[in-house]
Amino acid sequence: AQSVSQHNHHVILSEAASLELGCNYSYGGTVNLFWYVQYPGQHLQLLLKYFSGDPLVKGIKGFEAEFIKSKFSFNLRKPSVQWSDTAEYFCAVIASGGSYIPTFGRGTSLIVHP
Amino acid sequence: DAGVTQSPTHLIKTRGQQVTLRCSPKSGHDTVSWYQQALGQGPQFIFQYYEEEERQRGNFPDRFSGHQFPNYSSELNVNALLLGDSALYLCASSLGPSSGTRETQYFGPGTRLLVL
Repeated sequence: AQSVSQHNHHVILSEAASLELGCNYSYGGTVNLFWYVQYPGQHLQLLLKYFSGDPLVKGIKGFEAEFIKSKFSFNLRKPSVQWSDTAEYFCAVIASGGSYIPTFGRGTSLIVHP
Repeated sequence: DAGVTQSPTHLIKTRGQQVTLRCSPKSGHDTVSWYQQALGQGPQFIFQYYEEEERQRGNFPDRFSGHQFPNYSSELNVNALLLGDSALYLCASSLGPSSGTRETQYFGPGTRLLVL
């Protein structure tokens, strides 16, 4: 069974700082990868997803993530964060071609100071 | 266009009781998935319903059961509640069966269950 690790549980940044949140998964086969965000008081929503093709994926609100197969990683990045990026971020993996059982990481809480 | 709705928003039960949570999918969606999110953890997949049948199931005991109705809405039932069942229960809807992993899931606001 696959597993997902998000190494940073809490991140605190100032506005305009660059962001990188780590996500590593354990699964030897083909995977579909996702980043979700949950803003305070709001529903969990999709930021971006990777299925195949260009390993650099661009999502909403200026976020991007890079799939590095050799490192089993799918790190989330944003060059300049804003106060409104304060939220909980979750990485998720689905093993492609197998049973549909998505596995989520435990999440990273990001606080951006204005 | 209504998104995914869940009811109730909060619920308090005691150990041993049974609970039913409800979910209405986003308009046009026919697939419903349920997740349990414990405090400080990511969502854990419970099961998925499509065409009124359970299609996939995560590592949850039989105390967790569900149902999908012809209008695609769904219920999650938990019997013999344990303290450890206290969590946020999320419903997500999408279009297509479990093999359609390319379909984006839309999540509801969740039902927060507290078991005393």
